[in-house]
Amino acid sequence: AQSVTQLGSHVSVSEGALVLLRCNYSSSVPPYLFWYVQYPNQGLQLLLKYTSAATLVKGINGFEAEFKKSETSFHLTKPSAHMSDAAEYFCAVIRHGSSNTGKLIFGQGTTLQVKP
Amino acid sequence: NAGVTQTPKFRILKIGQSMTLQCAQDMNHNYMYWYRQDPGMGLKLIYYSVGAGITDKGEVPNGYNVSRSTTEDFPLRLELAAPSQTSVYFCASSPGGGGSNQPQHFGDGTRLSIL
Repeated sequence: AQSVTQLGSHVSVSEGALVLLRCNYSSSVPPYLFWYVQYPNQGLQLLLKYTSAATLVKGINGFEAEFKKSETSFHLTKPSAHMSDAAEYFCAVIRHGSSNTGKLIFGQGTTLQVKP
Repeated sequence: NAGVTQTPKFRILKIGQSMTLQCAQDMNHNYMYWYRQDPGMGLKLIYYSVGAGITDKGEVPNGYNVSRSTTEDFPLRLELAAPSQTSVYFCASSPGGGGSNQPQHFGDGTRLSIL
């Protein structure tokens, strides 16, 4: 069955350090992949999306993600963490057979803590 | 530009009560979705709609109903509230049509407790 796995439910980094949030997917066809961010008591906001145009995708707030087909991964990175990056991050993939509905499968989420 | 608006933001229900969670979008999006978010579980799709008058079940539809009489509105109905329905509910929309890879836009959620 199609799935998205986020490795690590909680990641803690120091301010200024590299942020790396891991996402692996299972899909037998080229997927559409997304990263969303959720700040406390808010809805989800799109960070970036992969739709096969380029393997390195740049998003908002300095985040980027690289699609690696051989590793079935779509890890999210940011060179230097800022206190305002503290939030929950979700990786998601368009569900198989959903070419006309856009249904998403979400990973379990990773909470990013940024320490001063 | 309001985007996706959900009401109410918070609600406490007693077991067996019913209520409707409201969702409205002003972006003229064709596709709309309802999710529930439980700790450590990500988001699970409850129901979705690809246009006015068209709805379909998602992963976890039991205990819920929806309708889509207009493009703008997509209410979610709980008929007999149960403790297992305590969750945060999110409504989302996307343009749809030929752009199934277009991102979904989310509301701020409704936090529902069933006691």
